[in-house]
Amino acid sequence: EDKVVQSPLSLVVHEGDTVTLNCSYEVTNFRSLLWYKQEKKAPTFLFMLTSSGIEKKSGRLSSILDKKELFSILNITATQTGDSAVYLCAVEPLLGGSQGNLIFGKGTKLSVKP
Amino acid sequence: DGGITQSPKYLFRKEGQNVTLSCEQNLNHDAMYWYRQDPGQGLRLIYYSQIVNDFQKGDIAEGYSVSREKKESFPLTVTSAQKNPTAFYLCASSIRGLNSPLHFGNGTRLTVT
Repeated sequence: EDKVVQSPLSLVVHEGDTVTLNCSYEVTNFRSLLWYKQEKKAPTFLFMLTSSGIEKKSGRLSSILDKKELFSILNITATQTGDSAVYLCAVEPLLGGSQGNLIFGKGTKLSVKP
Repeated sequence: DGGITQSPKYLFRKEGQNVTLSCEQNLNHDAMYWYRQDPGQGLRLIYYSQIVNDFQKGDIAEGYSVSREKKESFPLTVTSAQKNPTAFYLCASSIRGLNSPLHFGNGTRLTVT
């Protein structure tokens, strides 16, 4: 059965800390891995990763994929209280050649204290 | 502004009643999705539609029904057959094709008592 596992499930840090969120997966016919940030309601897209070893970066956030070891990490440097959210990892499998549908992990709840 | 609109934000129903959740998008996306989110669990796919007048069951379709009569609209009906309907429901859409991330609406929180 396809699955996505995120760790830790929750994390409390102080402003200025650097955090690393983990996502491992077991998915048949992998197509891509995505990271989303969910603050209250709608998850917002952060990164899509399809190739191993290529870091994607957006401001203080960065992410990388290892397709050999089947995991991805999301790094946040110099954390701010506005980074407090649930971070969702999802994997898109390739289904019959058409666009697949995402398999989500349970999320990591990040709390950044001032 | 383009986006996905879900309504209502909160919905309360008595057990045994069917209820329909609305999802409208003006992003001109072909594909639309319904996910369910429960505390401590990942998002789970209920139904999806790649094109008008066609839709497919996701992992937890039992007790739900959908229609896709227009490109912009993908309503979800939670029927009385759904054993545990209280949850947060998220609608999403994407461009049909490779490497296209989902765009989510703000969700509808359904409470059935």
